[in-house]
Amino acid sequence: AQSVAQPEDQVNVAEGNPLTVKCTYSVSGNPYLFWYVQYPNRGLQFLLKYITGDNLVKGSYGFEAEFNKSQTSFHLKKPSALVSDSALYFCAVRDTEGGKLIFGQGTELSVKP
Amino acid sequence: DTAVSQTPKYLVTQMGNDKSIKCEQNLGHDTMYWYKQDSKKFLKIMFSYNNKELIINETVPNRFSPKSPDKAHLNLHINSLELGDSAVYFCASGGANTQYFGPGTRLTVL
Repeated sequence: AQSVAQPEDQVNVAEGNPLTVKCTYSVSGNPYLFWYVQYPNRGLQFLLKYITGDNLVKGSYGFEAEFNKSQTSFHLKKPSALVSDSALYFCAVRDTEGGKLIFGQGTELSVKP
Repeated sequence: DTAVSQTPKYLVTQMGNDKSIKCEQNLGHDTMYWYKQDSKKFLKIMFSYNNKELIINETVPNRFSPKSPDKAHLNLHINSLELGDSAVYFCASGGANTQYFGPGTRLTVL
């Protein structure tokens, strides 16, 4: 069965510092991987995806993610965090059956001034 | 224009009532989904429809009945609401590889 794991419930970063939100996956076959962000009382917004191609994927709001097949990871990164990046971040994998998304448990990112 | 819209945004109701949540997408996608986010923020698929046909039913109680009148709409009807149904329900619309989510409907069952 496909699954993703986000090992950190919370990540705290100072504004201006680089941030990393971790995600590991377990799939059979080639993974389709996604990052979504949820701001308080809002829906999920698509950030970026990896389907194939370059291992470094660039997305919205200056975020990027690195696909690492040997480590089965897809960590989300940003070189310089903003207070406005504070939100709940979800990693997801697309299931081969029906195309549903299987989500990680979410990581709360807190960026302090 | 909002790509995926849901109504209502908030729904507060008593146990035992029947309620519906509506979803519409203007992205031209064939596939639509319902996800449930529980109180711990965990997200899980409930249903998926492709061009008005049910393709995923993820062990959801039969009190929940999705209906797709056309491929741009996927509504969720819930009968005999229970306390445990309190959650945020998200509709999503899927392109070839990416799903786009609505703003969510926060359902509170008293």
